[in-house]
Amino acid sequence: GAVVSQHPSWVICKSGTSVKIECRSLDFQATTMFWYRQFPKQSLMLMATSNEGSKATYEQGVEKDKFLINHASLTLSTLTVTSAHPEDSSFYICSARSSGGTDTQYFGPGTRLTVL
Amino acid sequence: QKEVEQDPGPLSVPEGAIVSLNCTYSNSAFQYFMWYRQYSRKGPELLMYTYSSGNKEDGRFTAQVDKSSKYISLFIRDSQPSDSATYLCAMSAGGKLIFGQGTELSVKP
Repeated sequence: GAVVSQHPSWVICKSGTSVKIECRSLDFQATTMFWYRQFPKQSLMLMATSNEGSKATYEQGVEKDKFLINHASLTLSTLTVTSAHPEDSSFYICSARSSGGTDTQYFGPGTRLTVL
Repeated sequence: QKEVEQDPGPLSVPEGAIVSLNCTYSNSAFQYFMWYRQYSRKGPELLMYTYSSGNKEDGRFTAQVDKSSKYISLFIRDSQPSDSATYLCAMSAGGKLIFGQGTELSVKP
């Protein structure tokens, strides 16, 4: 149980284009989903918290107009990187927290984004 | 001072060794404690979850939480080469998870 999928697993795009990443909880309902960014040899950096049916809460320093988050249902959240630039190249990971009342987060497999 | 401190390693041990991984923290409001394992280029995988103080055992893994010392540990018995990964501690007071830097573990056959 507690499986989270992400799609795509990797993507290469040209500078200036937008990229959408999907995060799905496959066997549980996730009232809250989180988006992280991870650089090589570093820990996870929380970008935003997404609650179903409401606007995402962004961490300090994260541009909400650049990283658009939509949490349309209890099983799906999307992250769109708009007008991507090479410095946006990174490993993006989502996680989902069930409505069961614990703080446990289950992570997706990650999406490696490379912007040329 | 970071809220959660974790020795980044790397830590190298021979197969069969007992591994001890540790984190210290400063926020006494933390109540939920987790250990995640992350293989290279993969998302973190939940290994252990503990609420408040105490021990929890699952197979070769044992998690300990000492709230009085603000110290948590993960022990791996009979370590295997497949345990080679980065281990992340994480904790929260309700809401966001705060992660340690991760400890890179290598188990040599």
